[in-house]
Amino acid sequence: NAGVTQTPKFQVLKTGQSMTLQCAQDMNHNSMYWYRQDPGMGLRLIYYSASEGTTDKGEVPNGYNVSRLNKREFSLRLESAAPSQTSVYFCASSASLPSSWDTQYFGPGTRLTVL
Amino acid sequence: AQSVTQLGSHVSVSEGALVLLRCNYSSSVPPYLFWYVQYPNQGLQLLLKYTTGATLVKGINGFEAEFKKSETSFHLTKPSAHMSDAAEYFCAVSERSSASKIIFGSGTRLSIRP
Repeated sequence: NAGVTQTPKFQVLKTGQSMTLQCAQDMNHNSMYWYRQDPGMGLRLIYYSASEGTTDKGEVPNGYNVSRLNKREFSLRLESAAPSQTSVYFCASSASLPSSWDTQYFGPGTRLTVL
Repeated sequence: AQSVTQLGSHVSVSEGALVLLRCNYSSSVPPYLFWYVQYPNQGLQLLLKYTTGATLVKGINGFEAEFKKSETSFHLTKPSAHMSDAAEYFCAVSERSSASKIIFGSGTRLSIRP
C-alpha cells in the first residue's frame, strides 16, 4: 500500500512554462485535494474533487487547472507558470465524499520553483 | 467564517519537558478540530481530531488535546518531549456544515533541545 504518491518530487520552471503535477492514491478514496504550502501561511486549498468526474475550486484556484482522471488519479496543471506559484504542493485524499470530519492522507509533496 | 490561529511560529523545549502548542479557532457553528504533524520533507499526517463526545482527545505518539468551547481553544500537549517529536504541527478547523473546507493554521515548528 503506497498511500498517496506524487510526481515529480522537485521541479524548476521558467516563467511562462507549463507543467502537470501528478497524484495517485491506492486507498480507494472518493475525495482528492490539491494544496499549496507557503512559509508562514499553512496549507491553502487549490482545488478538490468529491468523486470521479467532479472538481471544485478551493481558496486559491487562480492559475491552476485540475483533472480527475479516474478514481485513483488527480492532476494539477499550471498552464503558464509565474514566480508567485513557487511553493510546495501537496495532494491529499479522504475516504468519503467531502466530509468536514474525515481524515485526509497526504502525499510527500512536490517542491516547485518558478524562475 | 472559520479561522484558526496558532500562537507561536516556533517553540523550543528540552527533552523530557512538557510540550504545549496553542491553537485558537473561530467558527460560527460547532467545529471539527484537528492536529496534523509534518516531519521534514514529508506530507502531513493526522495526530488527533475532535468530532464529538469527550473533549479530551488522545492521539498518536503520546499527544493529546482538549477542546474548550468557552475558550475557543484546542491546545496540543505532551507530558514529556522526545527528540523524535521535532516537526511542524498544524492545527485545523472545519465547520460541520461545510464539507471539505478545512482551514489550516500557519503552523508551529517544535524544536527539542538535548
